[in-house]
Amino acid sequence: GENVEQHPSTLSVQEGDSAVIKCTYSDSASNYFPWYKQELGKRPQLIIDIRSNVGEKKDQRIAVTLNKTAKHFSLHITETQPEDSAVYFCAATFYTGTASKLTFGTGTRLQVTL
Amino acid sequence: DAGITQSPRHKVTETGTPVTLRCHQTENHRYMYWYRQDPGHGLRLIHYSYGVKDTDKGEVSDGYSVSRSKTEDFLLTLESATSSQTSVYFCAISDPLPSDGTDTQYFGPGTRLTVL
Repeated sequence: GENVEQHPSTLSVQEGDSAVIKCTYSDSASNYFPWYKQELGKRPQLIIDIRSNVGEKKDQRIAVTLNKTAKHFSLHITETQPEDSAVYFCAATFYTGTASKLTFGTGTRLQVTL
Repeated sequence: DAGITQSPRHKVTETGTPVTLRCHQTENHRYMYWYRQDPGHGLRLIHYSYGVKDTDKGEVSDGYSVSRSKTEDFLLTLESATSSQTSVYFCAISDPLPSDGTDTQYFGPGTRLTVL
């Protein structure tokens, strides 16, 4: 099955700085890579995703890059704000023939300090 | 948020008792999933359903069973709860794209289960 590794497990940045979270995956058949943000006590919320036919995608202050050859993808947050503080999860999808199954990384706790 | 509800939202039970968690959706999505979330493990798939009465196991299915008799409802049952099943349980729904099978999963609000 798929294995997703995520680093770092914790990240502290000052407000206005950039944050980068990296993930690697094992199954070369994976073709969809979403990122979720989870605030304390809340559900995971999709913030951005990328498909395997695209190398980069941006949405305002958030961007995701994908390197299929190296099997890694990264989340970039620029001009961080206190409300960006949360746990971020990467995931990779592989299709079983009946369903697409997401495998999640173990999460990165991002703390944005004033 | 997508139209997904979970019930109950919190439950405390004793070892050995049966427990059923319910996930209800109003989006008419074909796929439904049950995950558990534990510190240091992220979200792990327990079971999923790709249609009414069509279910399959995930990576941590031991001790759990599921049923889906209607599109909108997906039930997770712990036949005899153990302390190791203390966790936060999330339901998710999705509708894969016909073009490439990729899908975006949307999560319910979660159920916090404590087994004493």
